[in-house]
Amino acid sequence: GNSVTQMEGPVTLSEEAFLTINCTYTATGYPSLFWYVQYPGEGLQLLLKATKADDKGSNKGFEATYRKETTSFHLEKGSVQVSDSAVYFCALPSNTGKLIFGQGTTLQVKP
Amino acid sequence: DVKVTQSSRYLVKRTGEKVFLECVQDMDHENMFWYRQDPGLGLRLIYFSYDVKMKEKGDIPEGYSVSREKKERFSLILESASTNQTSMYLCASSPTWIQPYEQYFGPGTRLTVT
Repeated sequence: GNSVTQMEGPVTLSEEAFLTINCTYTATGYPSLFWYVQYPGEGLQLLLKATKADDKGSNKGFEATYRKETTSFHLEKGSVQVSDSAVYFCALPSNTGKLIFGQGTTLQVKP
Repeated sequence: DVKVTQSSRYLVKRTGEKVFLECVQDMDHENMFWYRQDPGLGLRLIYFSYDVKMKEKGDIPEGYSVSREKKERFSLILESASTNQTSMYLCASSPTWIQPYEQYFGPGTRLTVT
């Protein structure tokens, strides 16, 4: 069945550094792909999505490109801020229509 | 904005107690979900519901039950709480079965069973 693997954290960066969080997937066909973010003390919220191959999702300065050749959906941001400190989850639908989440990557940005 | 609320942010219960976690959404969503979140394990689906009085087991239903008597409310029940059920519990909802993937989450309930 479908599955998703994301890089282990925590990731610690200085403010204004470049961020990459890796996510790779295994899937039947070309399902939609998602990044969710969980800020401290809150539930998850959808950060961005891509619905087909070669699509780029973007939001709040974050981007991710759906790459079918490498089965990847890496999350990037050019210049992180302290307020970006959170846990980031890559996700895709299962064959039965539920969402499958990666294990989450904790990002800590230091001033 | 969609709002998903959970009855408690923090809860402490004793082993063997019956525990109710309540979730309410205000956007008339058909689908509702209960997850638990544990360090290193990510989110694991306990139960979900795609309609009133309908429920489906997720990946880890053992020790839990659910109730959905009204569309906006989805309750998670721990029949006899155990220490291994200490966790963060997250409720979510989504608008249609055709697009179930854009889920909206509540703030979570951190349950401690002593």
